[in-house]
Amino acid sequence: AQSVAQPEDQVNVAEGNPLTVKCTYSVSGNPYLFWYVQYPNRGLQFLLKYITGDNLVKGSYGFEAEFNKSQTSFHLKKPSALVSDSALYFCAVRDRTNFNKFYFGSGTKLNVKP
Amino acid sequence: EAGVTQFPSHSVIEKGQTVTLRCDPISGHDNLYWYRRVMGKEIKFLLHFVKESKQDESGMPNNRFLAERTGGTYSTLKVQPAELEDSGVYFCASSPPRQETQYFGPGTRLLVL
Repeated sequence: AQSVAQPEDQVNVAEGNPLTVKCTYSVSGNPYLFWYVQYPNRGLQFLLKYITGDNLVKGSYGFEAEFNKSQTSFHLKKPSALVSDSALYFCAVRDRTNFNKFYFGSGTKLNVKP
Repeated sequence: EAGVTQFPSHSVIEKGQTVTLRCDPISGHDNLYWYRRVMGKEIKFLLHFVKESKQDESGMPNNRFLAERTGGTYSTLKVQPAELEDSGVYFCASSPPRQETQYFGPGTRLLVL
């Protein structure tokens, strides 16, 4: 069965420190991988995606993510966190063979403290 | 360019009542999706329209849920009768043909009492 795991419900980091939000997946074949962010009282905003090519992809607001095929992971990273990065982050996988659906993780709440 | 819009933003109803959620996709997006997030869990796929046709409705929980997209523009999702477990946030997303990224609306927060 297709699934996405975000093992941490919450990640706390101090402003200026690097941050990592973890995501692993179990999907057949080579999936498309995405990160979305949800700010309070807002919808999901697209951050970045991996389709093919370089394993390190860069996205909005200075975020990047590294695709690791052997570990089936797609961790979200940022070198220096900002208080304004505090939000709910969702990892999603789109099956290339069943291209309609996204499979989402349960979300990770990122708290960046001044 | 206007984004995906959803109405209402919040809805509080009693068990047994009917609620209709509306989604207006980005203009020109043939693909329209409905998702739901219940009780802080993962966001789950409900169904997918291509224009006015249901491409995949495998995620619909039961026959109390009815989705329509007449004319291939906006879509409605009706829950009738609503049950307590239907509470959650209902997201709509759209995408143009052959594009991987889906663009999400702000969601409708449904609370069934």
